[in-house]
Formats: sequence, C-alpha cells, structure tokens
Amino acid sequence: DGGITQSPKYLFRKEGQNVTLSCEQNLNHDAMYWYRQDPGQGLRLIYYSQIVNDFQKGDIAEGYSVSREKKESFPLTVTSAQKNPTAFYLCASSRPGGQWNGYTFGSGTRLTVV
Amino acid sequence: QKEVEQNSGPLSVPEGAIASLNCTYSDRGSQSFFWYRQYSGKSPELIMFIYSNGDKEDGRFTAQLNKASQYVSLLIRDSQPSDSATYLCAVNPAGNNRKLIWGLGTSLAVNP
Repeated sequence: DGGITQSPKYLFRKEGQNVTLSCEQNLNHDAMYWYRQDPGQGLRLIYYSQIVNDFQKGDIAEGYSVSREKKESFPLTVTSAQKNPTAFYLCASSRPGGQWNGYTFGSGTRLTVV
Repeated sequence: QKEVEQNSGPLSVPEGAIASLNCTYSDRGSQSFFWYRQYSGKSPELIMFIYSNGDKEDGRFTAQLNKASQYVSLLIRDSQPSDSATYLCAVNPAGNNRKLIWGLGTSLAVNP
C-alpha cells in the first residue's frame, strides 16, 4: 500500500546536536511538507517543496534545514540553532494536478531534547 | 493575513447525538475546504473535503459550506465514542498554491 513513512517514531536530542528526521513517500506525490505541532498551537509550516531540487521556507524555518534530492524523500534536519525543538513533527505530501484531496500525513516523529 | 478559526471546545455530546463543528475563514476566494480528525498522539487523517461548489455527505459525516458568511461546518450524525478526537479545519485560499491554512482544532468528546 502507498503511504508516507516517517522515522524514527521517537527521537531524543542532546543540547547542541543536529538531528535528521526521515520522510519517505511512495504515493508519487510532487509536493511535500514539514509541520511542527505543539500543544495549543496547531500545525505550523516549517518547509515545503513542490518539485525535486526546490523548496521554500514556511512560517517557522529558522533552525531547520531540508533537502529534496529525490521525489520520494524530504528529510528535515533540526539544527542546534533551533532553541526549542521539542515537538511533534509531521511530514505530509500532496498529489499534483487534477481534483485535489488535500494532504496525506505520515505518522509523525516526536522529538525531545534531553 | 489569511486565517482559519475554530472554537477550541471541548464540545461534549452524548452518544447517538449530532455533533456540529464550525470553522470560519478570512479569505473570500478560498477554493477548497478540508476536515481532518486527529486522535491524541497521532497524526491527522482526512475525513472530508469539499470544494466551493457544494456540500458533501459521506456516511455519518456531512460537510457544508456557507460562502456568504465564510464558514464551513462538519456534522457528525449518530456520534460514537470513537469519534472523540480533535477536528482540524484547513482551507486552501485562492492563489496559495495548495498551501493549506489550518485552524487550531476543536476537541470533541462523545459520552457513552
């Protein structure tokens, strides 16, 4: 079955460390997105990519970086510059053209700073 | 700034009742509207979407759009305890290139 796979499910980061969250999809979707969710703050867009080798900053890109070298993959790196990285991170994808039915989400990665 | 607003709740209904959730949006040119359900600790899952041309019914769920007043509603008939979750409304404003604007969600509790 097609879907979006995020790994790991849980991740612990030490102060000053960079960590990379994986997101892979086999839905043949062109667009991919990274969101952060904190209690009471809803979904906030970090980065998005609508085509391979191209991506744009979302509303809260500071302290994060991404790459889009393959259509299927959109990894997110949380750098040491991100001062409050503890959150639930969600990757989503969206199909191109035609009648649009919104985003498909992965199961999420819960990142905790220790 | 384009916005989507929802009452945070909690909305509490007895089992078997109709749950009515509402969402208002600021961009009058919005084209498509989405309702996602999110269980605690899980990722959002799409349950309904409608376009600006009409309402939609799918099983126990009905999504309705009021363009004049700029709100979209989700009705859940015969509510079940398994419907207890947070419901997120998302809107695709005109010219936003399929970048959704999200509400903060309404928490629904269905009591047995």
